[in-house]
Amino acid sequence: KAGVTQTPRYLIKTRGQQVTLSCSPISGHRSVSWYQQTPGQGLQFLFEYFSETQRNKGNFPGRFSGRQFSNSRSEMNVSTLELGDSALYLCASSQSETGGSYEQYFGPGTRLTVT
Amino acid sequence: AQKVTQAQTEISVVEKEDVTLDCVYETRDTTYYLFWYKQPPSGELVFLIRRNSFDEQNEISGRYSWNFQKSTSSFNFTITASQVVDSAVYFCALSEARRDDKIIFGKGTRLHILP
Repeated sequence: KAGVTQTPRYLIKTRGQQVTLSCSPISGHRSVSWYQQTPGQGLQFLFEYFSETQRNKGNFPGRFSGRQFSNSRSEMNVSTLELGDSALYLCASSQSETGGSYEQYFGPGTRLTVT
Repeated sequence: AQKVTQAQTEISVVEKEDVTLDCVYETRDTTYYLFWYKQPPSGELVFLIRRNSFDEQNEISGRYSWNFQKSTSSFNFTITASQVVDSAVYFCALSEARRDDKIIFGKGTRLHILP
C-alpha cells in the first residue's frame, strides 16, 4: 500500500498570505489528523477528521481550518499567515472507526516557511 | 488533563551500548493508549509501538523493548546494542479512549549514537 502523501513538501509564503496543504491518507483509512511541529512547542495536535466530519480540534486560532473530502483526502488551510506559523505540518491517517487510537501513520510533512 | 513528559532532551551513547529513554504520562482516564514514534533526520514519524492501559506486559521487538508500569505512570523504551542508525528523535505519546484520534506527544528525546 502507498503511504500517506503530503503536498507540497516545501512552501515559502509571506506574512498575511494564506496557504492550503494537502494530505492523502493510506487507502482504506478514513481518519486523518494534522499536527504542527516546531522546535519550541514540539508536536501539537491541530484537528482530526473522520468521514468528512471534524471530531476534535486542538488549541489553535480560527485561522487554522481543515476539511476532509468523501475520498478521505484532507486539506488544511492557514489564513493571514504569521511568522510563528513556520513549522513542519504533519498529516497522519489511521483505520480508526470509533476512535480507540489505532496506530497513526504519518506522512513526510510539509515544511512551511513564513517570511 | 493529559500530559507526556520526556525528561531527557538529548542523549549520546557509544555504539553497542544499551540506552533507555524515559517517558512519564498523566491521564485521568482508566483506558488509554501509549505510543512510541521515531523521527529520523528525514522527518517522517515512524510508528514503533502501541500499548493499551490494560496490558502491562513488557514487549520486546528485536533490539527494542518497552517497559510499561502503571504504578509509576511510565512507559520506558530501551534499545539494546545501539547502532548508528538508531540516531533519531524519539517521541512518547498518549491517547485517551474517546471518539477521535487525538494524540498528545512528549517533547521528544534526541538520541545520538556515536560510532
